[in-house]
Amino acid sequence: DGGITQSPKYLFRKEGQNVTLSCEQNLNHDAMYWYRQDPGQGLRLIYYSQIVNDFQKGDIAEGYSVSREKKESFPLTVTSAQKNPTAFYLCASSIRASGNTIYFGEGSWLTVV
Amino acid sequence: QQQVKQSPQSLIVQKGGISIINCAYENTAFDYFPWYQQFPGKGPALLIAIRPDVSEKKEGRFTISFNKSAKQFSLHIMDSQPGDSATYFCAAADSNYQLIWGAGTKLIIKP
Repeated sequence: DGGITQSPKYLFRKEGQNVTLSCEQNLNHDAMYWYRQDPGQGLRLIYYSQIVNDFQKGDIAEGYSVSREKKESFPLTVTSAQKNPTAFYLCASSIRASGNTIYFGEGSWLTVV
Repeated sequence: QQQVKQSPQSLIVQKGGISIINCAYENTAFDYFPWYQQFPGKGPALLIAIRPDVSEKKEGRFTISFNKSAKQFSLHIMDSQPGDSATYFCAAADSNYQLIWGAGTKLIIKP
């Protein structure tokens, strides 16, 4: 089945640790995105990538890093510099320059312990 | 100018009633207006979308009404059902394909 796979679904981070959230898509989409969603809140863009080996900061990039070495993969690292990382993280993808429909993964819950 | 303002923040509707969620924008360069539906613990999914060359688009019980002069668009859910209980997001995009999201509306349909 085509889709976006995020892992892990639940992740616990200790203070001072970096953690990496995985996102893989087999939709052959050029563009990929990471959003953060806090309980009862809207979607805030962290990073996006329109093409392999290129990515751009979104509205809340501080404390996060990404890479785009393969078209299918767009991992997000939540660094220790992110002071309030507890949130629901959503990965998404879209066909660049077409229709603008964004498809989302199932999300990953990150909790700081 | 990049904001999309969504209202209400939450909405309770009786089963069988009409649910209406509104969004407003300022940027006249926006040319794509989707609505997404999100169930708890899941990612949002595209529900219905419209471009500004039409004033209304209907898919089943879901209708988008678009008012270009007022820079407003709304989602109408006819014969609302308990299974429609979810959070709904409007969004807008211009030719750069970056979506600007509304803050979301939590819809509860009472049986």
